[in-house]
Parts: sequence; structure tokens; C-alpha cells
Amino acid sequence: SSELTQDPAVSVALGQTVRITCQGDSLRSYYASWYQQKPGQAPILVIYGKNNRPSGIPDRFSGSSSGNTASLTITGAQAEDEADYYCNSRDSSGSHLGVFGGGTKLTVL
Amino acid sequence: EVQLVESGGGLVKPGGSLRLSCAASGFTFSSYSMNWVRQAPGKGLEWVSSISSSSSYIHYADSVKGRFTISRDNAKNSLYLQMNSLRVEDTAVYYCAREVQYYDILIGTYYYYMDVWGKGTTVTVSS
Repeated sequence: SSELTQDPAVSVALGQTVRITCQGDSLRSYYASWYQQKPGQAPILVIYGKNNRPSGIPDRFSGSSSGNTASLTITGAQAEDEADYYCNSRDSSGSHLGVFGGGTKLTVL
Repeated sequence: EVQLVESGGGLVKPGGSLRLSCAASGFTFSSYSMNWVRQAPGKGLEWVSSISSSSSYIHYADSVKGRFTISRDNAKNSLYLQMNSLRVEDTAVYYCAREVQYYDILIGTYYYYMDVWGKGTTVTVSS
């Protein structure tokens, strides 16, 4: 079982806003990072830290956090945003192990 | 161009061994911690192991501890994963990923993320 909890699936209408959440105790000490993965492809980093986007990631992607919950928001979702999204952090035991959320499958309608 | 390229995957019988490699280029490999992450068919991402820049700190997921060994050769810009006593449940695509971690003292929170990923190498454990 994952120490980071994500909703398995979320859907959004084209052009609308969607929020994907990630819950875990370690998120009180670590910012979550977020990864997008499309079928047959490697994950790519889309959000890290408080709200940072790597070069090349559209500004419709944003991140936020409060307490033990991190959120990835896509404002004006596009068809190409349909993918699996994973959050990532350290585990909550202080042992410096990595942990991923179970992933959220985003469908753009 | 910053790049990670995995190799060494293949078909192996249960109980067998395999050694994965990850060749890094386009950045100062010796300055970064590195990770292995895997993904079983139809499943989510699973963190497997990490190694610090100088190999001083090594960590493993419970699912592979005692069977897998992570190592690196900074002179060769390479990361390795020696996998022994392989099980059917180790079947997955294995990715290497570059790690970044630092502490924001003003906020009292760690930044931790994997900013560069390879395309992966497939390991199949089957009789």
C-alpha cells in the first residue's frame, strides 16, 4: 500500500479546470512532486516544490499544498493532458525512502 | 542534452539474476543522487532504490531489500542495479531517474523530485 493517497480516476471537460490531490503525512515536511505519464512513455516531471514548473511545461499546470495534502491543478485542460499523474515524496518514517502515490488517471472529455 | 539511457533488461527465470545499467550524459553525474523506479505491467510507479552522489547513502524499498544492490561509477557516468533472486513480481519496466533534494530553511520544507528520467528497460521474470 502507498503512503501517498490519490484518487484513482478523475475526469474533466475540455477547457475546464481540474484538481488532482495527494494525501500523506510526509507532505507536512516535503513538497510533493508531480509526474505525467502517457501510455508507453516514461514519466515526466510537471510540478515540483511549492509551485515550480520545469522548462517546457505549460503554465496551465500549477501546484499547491496545505497540511498533509498536495494538489495539482490544470487550468483549461487540453486533450493532450489526458494521462496518468503521480505524486511523489519521501516516506513518513524519516527513513529517506521514496514513495509514489497510486496514480490518478485523468480523462479529458 | 541531459540524458539517461537504461540497458540490461531481458527475460530471466525465477531465481535468476540480471544487472541493469544507466548511462548518464549532458550533466555532472557525480553531483547528483540517483534512483531506480519500476512499473509493473498495468500498475503504478514504485520507487526501488536510491544512491547518493558519493555512494555514501543507499536506500532500498522493502520489496527488494536483500536481493537488489544499487551502485554507481562516477568515472564512467553510470548507475547500476544488480538484481538477484528475481521473482515473477519483479517483472516491470525499470527507469533510472536523477534526484534533486534541498531544504528551504525559510519555509522549513524539503524540495525532493526526480527531474530527468530514462526511457526504461524491461525486465521479465518468467519460467
